[in-house]
Amino acid sequence: DTGVSQDPRHKITKRGQNVTFRCDPISEHNRLYWYRQTLGQGPEFLTYFQNEAQLEKSRLLSDRFSAERPKGSFSTLEIQRTEQGDSAMYLCASSLNEGGYEKLFFGSGTQLSVL
Amino acid sequence: GESVGLHLPTLSVQEGDNSIINCAYSNSASDYFIWYKQESGKGPQFIIDIRSNMDKRQGQRVTVLLNKTVKHLSLQIAATQPGDSAVYFCAERREAAGNKLTFGGGTRVLVKP
Repeated sequence: DTGVSQDPRHKITKRGQNVTFRCDPISEHNRLYWYRQTLGQGPEFLTYFQNEAQLEKSRLLSDRFSAERPKGSFSTLEIQRTEQGDSAMYLCASSLNEGGYEKLFFGSGTQLSVL
Repeated sequence: GESVGLHLPTLSVQEGDNSIINCAYSNSASDYFIWYKQESGKGPQFIIDIRSNMDKRQGQRVTVLLNKTVKHLSLQIAATQPGDSAVYFCAERREAAGNKLTFGGGTRVLVKP
């Protein structure tokens, strides 16, 4: 499978715990995005990387959230001291740039439930 | 505020009929639009895109129409099949605001056999 891969698919944690998600993008894509999606809503942008550089972060991304892409390949998203409001689907996408226009290809997401 | 939204939250369609999903956007600076399909438990799947210098683009069984005058986007699905049942999102990009996509709230399409 050469699509975007995310791990784990599901995560259940207790409030206050730290969690980390991993995303493996499509290999030839140099941009990687993190989005968050709650039930019945469209995905909301969190942050994105070009190679290993984090170029933009949303105001949604509180200081409890940190994302890395150390070698410009896979990325991790860590949430510290989780809160119930963090429960959501966390989606990763990578993009192919065609003439200045990017098509984002999404993974299946990590469903986080904070109890 | 700036937003991308959808007119109908749920669309029921008979198998074999054509479906039309509508999307309104509010920012005239948006220059690129993508339609995504999302099935339960899966991430959004790219369907078709259109640039702001185009009015229409066709794919396999799908057509996207862009009316920049009224800031309206539609997705037409021909001969709708049970596998088309999903939530559909339109997303916009404004180059001046970076390359991130802004998504609307989604329309659920239910295909009746």
